[in-house]
Amino acid sequence: DAGVIQSPRHEVTEMGQEVTLRCKPISGHDYLFWYRQTMMRGLELLIYFNNNVPIDDSGMPEDRFSAKMPNASFSTLKIQPSEPRDSAVYFCASSLGRGGAGELFFGEGSRLTVL
Amino acid sequence: ILNVEQSPQSLHVQEGDSTNFTCSFPSSNFYALHWYRWETAKSPEALFVMTLNGDEKKKGRISATLNTKEGYSYLYIKGSQPEDSATYLCAFINRQAGTALIFGKGTTLSVSS
Repeated sequence: DAGVIQSPRHEVTEMGQEVTLRCKPISGHDYLFWYRQTMMRGLELLIYFNNNVPIDDSGMPEDRFSAKMPNASFSTLKIQPSEPRDSAVYFCASSLGRGGAGELFFGEGSRLTVL
Repeated sequence: ILNVEQSPQSLHVQEGDSTNFTCSFPSSNFYALHWYRWETAKSPEALFVMTLNGDEKKKGRISATLNTKEGYSYLYIKGSQPEDSATYLCAFINRQAGTALIFGKGTTLSVSS
């Protein structure tokens, strides 16, 4: 299996622009998580899905952030409009079963820089 | 707010030293505790998933213990090697509906040869 695939790996954009990050989970995994990593806060859970349904989005910073999972093999995290404080590495991870407590498999991350 | 605390924040040891780190978490409604290893420029990789009080897991020179009643887990590395240099993250999940893995900020280990 190719593992969790994220794109783009790097994104540099200007404040106010829309940013879309993409994730393909491991085939057969039923949980998908979006995390944001910053120096100040470490790995911060943004949202997670179970069988394509959003379960907990309480970590999404504000209305500028949205996430979708239209099918079992694809998810997006969108920031509109982007701000410099959104600069971070965004990780997608997937897992199988165990009520969401299964081992997480992480993608390589998308490094976002907002100028 | 569910917090996971890890200590120390960073640690520097010599090759061959044995070391251990602590992860503290809320003990109520415990469901599972994970340890991950995160090497620079890579993604976190799972070391252990632990669910039962008293659990002990081992993988090579690395082992972990779990005390769910008092809310802590220890990670031990025996005979540290330079390739053990990484950030070690713990994460926990409790039984409340709608929660997922909450990560600590990690312990960064540096091993000198």
